Amino acid sequence: QKEVEQNSGPLSVPEGAIASLNCTYSDRVSQSFFWYRQYSGKSPELIMSIYSNGDKEDGRFTAQLNKASQYVSLLIRDSQPSDSATYLCAVNGGATNKLIFGTGTLLAVQP
Amino acid sequence: KAGVTQTPRYLIKTRGQQVTLSCSPISGHRSVSWYQQTPGQGLQFLFEYFSETQRNKGNFPGRFSGRQFSNSRSEMNVSTLELGDSALYLCASSFGLGQNQETQYFGPGTRLLVL
Repeated sequence: QKEVEQNSGPLSVPEGAIASLNCTYSDRVSQSFFWYRQYSGKSPELIMSIYSNGDKEDGRFTAQLNKASQYVSLLIRDSQPSDSATYLCAVNGGATNKLIFGTGTLLAVQP
Repeated sequence: KAGVTQTPRYLIKTRGQQVTLSCSPISGHRSVSWYQQTPGQGLQFLFEYFSETQRNKGNFPGRFSGRQFSNSRSEMNVSTLELGDSALYLCASSFGLGQNQETQYFGPGTRLLVL
């Protein structure tokens, strides 16, 4: 079983819609959760971080964490074509900075 | 504030050769982590350095090694290159306080092609 799992997609949504990206993780002691966006040929860029159960909002982005279900999600409201990228879920459970990444979900926002 | 820089950006090597990649973290950051990204395996943790000491290591063979200098700059070395080492090598920096809530910022990466 992979430690961090994501649907590889592609997830296709029309412009202006809400995109919902999901991630599950296997290690119950995981404490920190991150969403990175990666455009083709570029390096990952941090979108959101979340550490406590519940929702965290930043502009058009909302991260949701449910530790009991070992589930973290990212909602993108009013999706734009510029949001088209691969979204990587990353989990950190240890005392150091080792991140475990999912394989990423490819999001395609259709104009 | 300048971001994470990595050199070189692109590299072509042949099997059996060795390669050294360099990373300069964001000013003030003392932790540098290295990751390998391939289409088949995704992003995988290689190792983390803090204050010139390796603090954590991923599941890679001994051909992969690294070090960190007193100015926090880091290098990673891959010896006896194999075709499967072709990948994007990413460096990430953070303050390195040992708290797992720290944000890691990625450099642009070095794309290595082994022929």
